[in-house]
Amino acid sequence: DAGITQSPRHKVTETGTPVTLRCHQTENHRYMYWYRQDPGHGLRLIHYSYGVKDTDKGEVSDGYSVSRSKTEDFLLTLESATSSQTSVYFCAISRTSGSADTQYFGPGTRLTVL
Amino acid sequence: AQRVTQPEKLLSVFKGAPVELKCNYSYSGSPELFWYVQYSRQRLQLLLRHISRESIKGFTADLNKGETSFHLKKPFAQEEDSAMYYCALSSYNTDKLIFGTGTRLQVFP
Repeated sequence: DAGITQSPRHKVTETGTPVTLRCHQTENHRYMYWYRQDPGHGLRLIHYSYGVKDTDKGEVSDGYSVSRSKTEDFLLTLESATSSQTSVYFCAISRTSGSADTQYFGPGTRLTVL
Repeated sequence: AQRVTQPEKLLSVFKGAPVELKCNYSYSGSPELFWYVQYSRQRLQLLLRHISRESIKGFTADLNKGETSFHLKKPFAQEEDSAMYYCALSSYNTDKLIFGTGTRLQVFP
């Protein structure tokens, strides 16, 4: 499973609270991605990182922030969770750019915002 | 803008029947196309990519630039093929994959 873990695996929180999801890899891959998976929308990119402290926005970045202070960790933060952010969140990694390399996915985090 | 369209949310077939999962894309340059699969209780994983021109688990996909399609095909479906399939597109000037909305394949015995 390409050495990718996500924590927590399940979380229920209330509207307005901050939430941080963690993606941890042991592969030393340069690229890391956060996606959300929703019925009818498939997988949509939230943010990605192309190196330590190097991040960029994806398709649905509003309401989310990320940080990458170490190669192995990529954190996704919902500053003030809303019900529309109820989703399954997947982290992915790739050794080189996603356009040229396979992406390996984590097990997912199911987030419910009440 | 880059876009991937999978017109079928659900495709149901019987074991042994041929399968074709449709994928159309919009992109003006030279795309890199992928099929990813998510089996029940497993992680999303790469099934195949067009540049490799390989057959994985009996599946093949041909890039048709004229029709801007990358349909996934298998001549004889198996029950273990039941899964969610995502078509994805990238290009050499971006770091990102654009996924379609996915098609759930159900193969009945």
